Amino acid sequence: QKEVEQNSGPLSVPEGAIASLNCTYSDRGSQSFFWYRQYSGKSPELIMSIYSNGDKEDGRFTAQLNKASQYVSLLIRDSQPSDSATYLCAGYTGGFKTIFGAGTRLFVKA
Amino acid sequence: KAGVTQTPRYLIKTRGQQVTLSCSPISGHRSVSWYQQTPGQGLQFLFEYFSETQRNKGNFPGRFSGRQFSNSRSEMNVSTLELGDSALYLCASTIGRGNTEAFFGQGTRLTVV
Repeated sequence: QKEVEQNSGPLSVPEGAIASLNCTYSDRGSQSFFWYRQYSGKSPELIMSIYSNGDKEDGRFTAQLNKASQYVSLLIRDSQPSDSATYLCAGYTGGFKTIFGAGTRLFVKA
Repeated sequence: KAGVTQTPRYLIKTRGQQVTLSCSPISGHRSVSWYQQTPGQGLQFLFEYFSETQRNKGNFPGRFSGRQFSNSRSEMNVSTLELGDSALYLCASTIGRGNTEAFFGQGTRLTVV
């Protein structure tokens, strides 16, 4: 069983809309969660970290964590074509190991 | 502040050969993790090193090995290459003192022919 699950997409949203990316995880001991953005042919880039239940906002990005439901999400407000990329959800499970989901491809249409 | 540096960026090897990839972490970061990324499997954890010690290892065959030096630079080695080893190999560094935010290098694209 995959430890971090994401819908592979693609998720297509119009420019200016809110993009909502979701992720579930199976290990209740997971302590920290991360969202990475990966452009085609590039390496993943860390955009958000979240450690406690609730919301965390950074500019146009909001990460949400619900440990009871084992659910993590990323909202991108005012989506731009430059946001088109694959978004990877990751969880630190302890044991010095971070597990990544397969990623959700996002397309923002101009 | 320099980021994570991986060398080489691209490699083409023949089946049966071996390869060594290098990773220099962000200055001050002591933990280095290696990942294999393929279109079908996504990012798969290979191993993690801290202070020259491997602290965790993923589900890869023994042909995959690594090490870390006293300056935190790390190398990974793949012996007896197979076609299925063709992938993007990514190195990520973290400070390693309870902070688990990881920053990736540009990766090494390995093609086995």
